[in-house]
Amino acid sequence: EDHLLESGGGLVPPGGSLRLSCEASGFSFPDYAMNWIRQAPGKGLEWVSALSGSGDATYYSDSVRGRFTISRDNSKSTLYLQLDGLKVEDTAVYYCAKDRLTASFDSWGQGTPVTVSS
Amino acid sequence: QSSVTQPPSVSAAPGQKVTISCSGSSSNIGNNYVSWYQQLPETAPKLLIYDNDRRPSGIPDRFSASKSGTSATLDITGLQTGDEAAYYCASWDGSLSVVVFGGGTKLTVL
Repeated sequence: EDHLLESGGGLVPPGGSLRLSCEASGFSFPDYAMNWIRQAPGKGLEWVSALSGSGDATYYSDSVRGRFTISRDNSKSTLYLQLDGLKVEDTAVYYCAKDRLTASFDSWGQGTPVTVSS
Repeated sequence: QSSVTQPPSVSAAPGQKVTISCSGSSSNIGNNYVSWYQQLPETAPKLLIYDNDRRPSGIPDRFSASKSGTSATLDITGLQTGDEAAYYCASWDGSLSVVVFGGGTKLTVL
């Protein structure tokens, strides 16, 4: 059974940085693209970024491009999201999700909360 | 950036059927697969439908979906109180190279 466990969230001031991690188990990690999806308090889901299984193709939403960096270490079955230049509007629960191939996400972590506030 | 539209809320009585719509454009729904997610309160989303109309194992056949042109619909029959949740559609947008989610629809089972 697929399992995803996010960590690294916390409280950070505007302009600060965080690194989120997502440890995967139960499936062949290198075979799947992985995504970060966030949800601001009381709001809907917002896709943030995707990374191919090999790590050679990255995609970002306009709202985070140039500030966030997605990466992975297939030897550790771990996905990362480096968040730099954080803004108050980045406050959200960040989920990692496994992409079953057609931009459909069949496994989700429990989420890690990020709060950007002074 | 979201260019996929869902009704904010729908409601129906237990045992009834409800339909949730998802309207997009040729750059997303019109030329790419649609997926649907259920998010119960205070939990992570769960995949209900992928590739327009396919159910993952373990999803009851009370949940079904279809796509026509630039729109998609999710049908839930035999409504149960446990179906009260937010439902989201999603699709790849080939013009923007991003995944777009609908704004979500809150289902109330009266």
